[in-house]
Amino acid sequence: GENVEQHPSTLSVQEGDSAVIKCTYSDSASNYFPWYKQELGKGPQLIIDIRSNVGEKKDQRIAVTLNKTAKHFSLHITETQPEDSAVYFCAARTSYGKLTFGQGTILTVHP
Amino acid sequence: DTEVTQTPKHLVMGMTNKKSLKCEQHMGHRAMYWYKQKAKKPPELMFVYSYEKLSINESVPSRFSPECPNSSLLNLHLHALQPEDSALYLCASKPLQGGNEQFFGPGTRLTVL
Repeated sequence: GENVEQHPSTLSVQEGDSAVIKCTYSDSASNYFPWYKQELGKGPQLIIDIRSNVGEKKDQRIAVTLNKTAKHFSLHITETQPEDSAVYFCAARTSYGKLTFGQGTILTVHP
Repeated sequence: DTEVTQTPKHLVMGMTNKKSLKCEQHMGHRAMYWYKQKAKKPPELMFVYSYEKLSINESVPSRFSPECPNSSLLNLHLHALQPEDSALYLCASKPLQGGNEQFFGPGTRLTVL
């Protein structure tokens, strides 16, 4: 089955800095890669996603890049703000529809 | 209405109790999911319903019994649970046609004593 590795497990940045979280996946048939943000006491919320036929996608301060050959994808957050502090999960979806999540990254943005 | 609701928010039960978790969505999504999430871990898939029929059971113990009575509602019936079943139970939904995003509910925090 699919295996998703996510790094780092914790990330601490100063407000205004950039944050980068990286994930690798094992199943070359995976075709959809979402990123979820989970705040304390809440369910995961989709923040950005990318399909396998696209190399990069951007939405304001958030961007995702995908390298299909290397089977890795990354989340980039620029101009971080304290409200960006949360747990971030990457995921990969195989052709039969199951989402496999990475282990999560605890992002802390210090004011 | 673009949200998934779950009730109750919190549930404490003994190992001999029977209880149910409820999930509801009115987005017309025909795929619905149950996930289990332990502290500091990612969500783990338990069950998937497609068009109100169980399509995936990730080898979940029979003390968890899912039910999808209609296209808007998903239940998870709990019986004879163990303390290690304490976790956040998340429901999610997704359109089967024309969309990729899984929408998650806020979860039910379950404690088994």
